Amino acid sequence: GQNIDQPTEMTATEGAIVQINCTYQTSGFNGLFWYQQHAGEAPTFLSYNVLDGLEEKGRFSSFLSRSKGYSYLLLKELQMKDSASYLCGVMDSNYQLIWGAGTKLIIKP
Amino acid sequence: ETGVTQTPRHLVMGMTNKKSLKCEQHLGHNAMYWYKQSAKKPLELMFVYSLEERVENNSVPSRFSPECPNSSHLFLHLHTLQPEDSALYLCASSQDGGGSYNEQYFGPGTRLTVT
Repeated sequence: GQNIDQPTEMTATEGAIVQINCTYQTSGFNGLFWYQQHAGEAPTFLSYNVLDGLEEKGRFSSFLSRSKGYSYLLLKELQMKDSASYLCGVMDSNYQLIWGAGTKLIIKP
Repeated sequence: ETGVTQTPRHLVMGMTNKKSLKCEQHLGHNAMYWYKQSAKKPLELMFVYSLEERVENNSVPSRFSPECPNSSHLFLHLHTLQPEDSALYLCASSQDGGGSYNEQYFGPGTRLTVT
């Protein structure tokens, strides 16, 4: 079967760095997405990786290793507004997005 | 309005009621999606429409009935629901229904409670 694993919850301190991991087992691979979802709001797009390596976008970076079925989202200089759930989604061979359950990130002052 | 909008934002209904959820996208996209989001569970894809034709139905119970009258509007008709159907129902749209890069834009969701 297809499976996406990510930690349920993480806690970090304002100003620090946090890494949210995502491992996947899917039938085929056509890209990996990270989305941010604040409580009661719509998920919003953060990043897309289809090739191995690191994609940097401001304070957020996303890494992919296709051979290991592994990705991480790196958040630097954490701000209180970064408290949210982070969703990892993998597009399989049928171009269907398979989602993880999300990681709830709590930022403490 | 821009983006993807959903109405109502909150809905409480009894198991014998009939109600409909509405989604509208103002992005000129060709594909629209219904997802169910339950606490601590992955997003569950329910239906996909591409160019107003249904292309995906992941074994969703018949008490959920989608309708896509045009590429900008998507409805989810609900009848005789069960308490376990209580969840956040998210609508999304994308440029196409397939392809290697298919960023989805989500609406804010409808929080449904079945009593």
